[in-house]
Amino acid sequence: QKEVEQDPGPLSVPEGAIVSLNCTYSNSAFQYFMWYRQYSRKGPELLMYTYSSGNKEDGRFTAQVDKSSKYISLFIRDSQPSDSATYLCAMSPFGNEKLTFGTGTRLTIIP
Amino acid sequence: NAGVTQTPKFQVLKTGQSMTLQCAQDMNHNSMYWYRQDPGMGLRLIYYSASEGTTDKGEVPNGYNVSRLNKREFSLRLESAAPSQTSVYFCASSGGGQGAFGYTFGSGTRLTVV
Repeated sequence: QKEVEQDPGPLSVPEGAIVSLNCTYSNSAFQYFMWYRQYSRKGPELLMYTYSSGNKEDGRFTAQVDKSSKYISLFIRDSQPSDSATYLCAMSPFGNEKLTFGTGTRLTIIP
Repeated sequence: NAGVTQTPKFQVLKTGQSMTLQCAQDMNHNSMYWYRQDPGMGLRLIYYSASEGTTDKGEVPNGYNVSRLNKREFSLRLESAAPSQTSVYFCASSGGGQGAFGYTFGSGTRLTVV
């Protein structure tokens, strides 16, 4: 079993919908949780990061961490076609070392 | 503000040929990484370098070698390319002191081995 599990999708939703992307993990040492966005034929770019449990909001994006359930989520409100991309979760016991990545969820926002 | 630069962007090799993928970062990061990305497999770590002069194997190192030439540059070499090494290769770097999070990735090298 992988340390980080992520549903690969693909996920298609209409423009304006709320999108929920999720990852589960098994390593209780993970303290730092990140979401990367990867557009087609580009490298992943850091979208959001959180430390330990709780929520973090940045514009239309909200990252949620539930360490007791070993479950993290990314919510996208008022989704736009420009949000169409692959979203990868990543986590680490440290801030910026030894990241473990999920396989990514491919998201398409339909205009 | 170039970040992480990878060259070349595309390459086609014949089985048995060798090549070196180049990576350079201008963010004064200590750590650098090489990943390959394949459909359904996600990002898999090939090698990483925690600092200048050190390198360590990742999850899938077989068939690859690396060199941390200096703090800025980290190259990946395929000595005898095989079709199984057809993939997209990403270089990444991390560091930057307190409050730094995550990796910065390059734009990738698409390699096809025929």
